[in-house]
Amino acid sequence: ILNVEQSPQSLHVQEGDSTNFTCSFPSSNFYALHWYRWETAKSPEALFVMTLNGDEKKKGRISATLNTKEGYSYLYIKGSQPEDSATYLCASHRGGAQKLVFGQGTRLTINP
Amino acid sequence: DTGVSQNPRHKITKRGQNVTFRCDPISEHNRLYWYRQTLGQGPEFLTYFQNEAQLEKSRLLSDRFSAERPKGSFSTLEIQRTEQGDSAMYLCASSLWPRRRGYGYTFGSGTRLTVV
Repeated sequence: ILNVEQSPQSLHVQEGDSTNFTCSFPSSNFYALHWYRWETAKSPEALFVMTLNGDEKKKGRISATLNTKEGYSYLYIKGSQPEDSATYLCASHRGGAQKLVFGQGTRLTINP
Repeated sequence: DTGVSQNPRHKITKRGQNVTFRCDPISEHNRLYWYRQTLGQGPEFLTYFQNEAQLEKSRLLSDRFSAERPKGSFSTLEIQRTEQGDSAMYLCASSLWPRRRGYGYTFGSGTRLTVV
């Protein structure tokens, strides 16, 4: 994989349900993997920056895992709430590069 | 510090006009990045500065685009002779370099450009 790919592109989830989505990134020369949440009319907000293979990070009801050898990360949201509605972006930071390369995002809508 | 500030929030311009956007980063951040996001796509890298030096430019940044960060603080992005394809959200982000790997960028809310 040369690009950063996210799936699905969009997702509708019922309030209270749990959900997860995927980010695939180049595994070679890995340095860090970023997750951002971007709500409409606001700034993208950093959720997690993950650097170690097998790492798992958690913030409230949101957690993320990382597999650097195969080049994927999962983001999990437990007990979805309407305020979780946003676009979730992942971005790859490769060693030697000075910029993040973003996926196209997963647009999450929570139905009350 | 109130975070990364971008102005204006929205800009509508006629094709062929020049536009300029401004970004004020977090004051202690020495790196500043410009990204562009079009509908259905993720943010695409345009350019970045370390202090006042522009260190990398994307091939996306045609000769109609120019960015400056004259005193290593705020930055401007100018688009000359705008085209309809320039319509996008222009995002600015800042970071402190070097620092530990576990820190993300701080983004502004973006400037949405519409070329009519």
